[in-house]
Amino acid sequence: GDSVTQMEGPVTLSEEAFLTINCTYTATGYPSLFWYVQYPGEGLQLLLKATKADDKGSNKGFEATYRKETTSFHLEKGSVQVSDSAVYFCALSGSGGSNYKLTFGKGTLLTVNP
Amino acid sequence: NAGVTQTPKFRILKIGQSMTLQCTQDMNHNYMYWYRQDPGMGLKLIYYSVGAGITDKGEVPNGYNVSRSTTEDFPLRLELAAPSQTSVYFCATQRGQRTDTQYFGPGTRLTVL
Repeated sequence: GDSVTQMEGPVTLSEEAFLTINCTYTATGYPSLFWYVQYPGEGLQLLLKATKADDKGSNKGFEATYRKETTSFHLEKGSVQVSDSAVYFCALSGSGGSNYKLTFGKGTLLTVNP
Repeated sequence: NAGVTQTPKFRILKIGQSMTLQCTQDMNHNYMYWYRQDPGMGLKLIYYSVGAGITDKGEVPNGYNVSRSTTEDFPLRLELAAPSQTSVYFCATQRGQRTDTQYFGPGTRLTVL
């Protein structure tokens, strides 16, 4: 079945540091790929997505490129801020089946210190 | 436009009690989902619905039931609560395409003692 593996946390960075959170997936066909973010005490919200190979999703300075050859969707940001502290989830929506459920990674806790 | 609302925010149950978690959306989305989030484990799908009157099981349906009588509401019922159901529960909605964003409610934190 479908699965997502993402970098274990927690990750602690200083403000303005470069961020990479690795995400790889296993799925048949052509899944859609997502990064969701969860701020403390809140639900998940979409950060960015990519729906086909070589697409780049971007939002709020974050980027991720859908790499089918390496089955990866790594999240990057050039300069993190304290306000980026949150849990980040990589997820996919598989190309088969009757529902569009998301398969999630376990999440990566990011803490950014001033 | 409230989006996706969930009630209650917090609840403590005793073993064997029952309760209903409420989820309401005003986005007119066809697809609705219930997930549970356990610490360090990501989210797992409990049940989903592709429209009013249609529901189906997800990965972890045991101990839960759902109904979908309207587009707006998708309640999750816990019968005979067990400690293993201690979790944070999220409802999500989606318009109806695989590439569409899922919109999540704020969650219900449930503890079963």
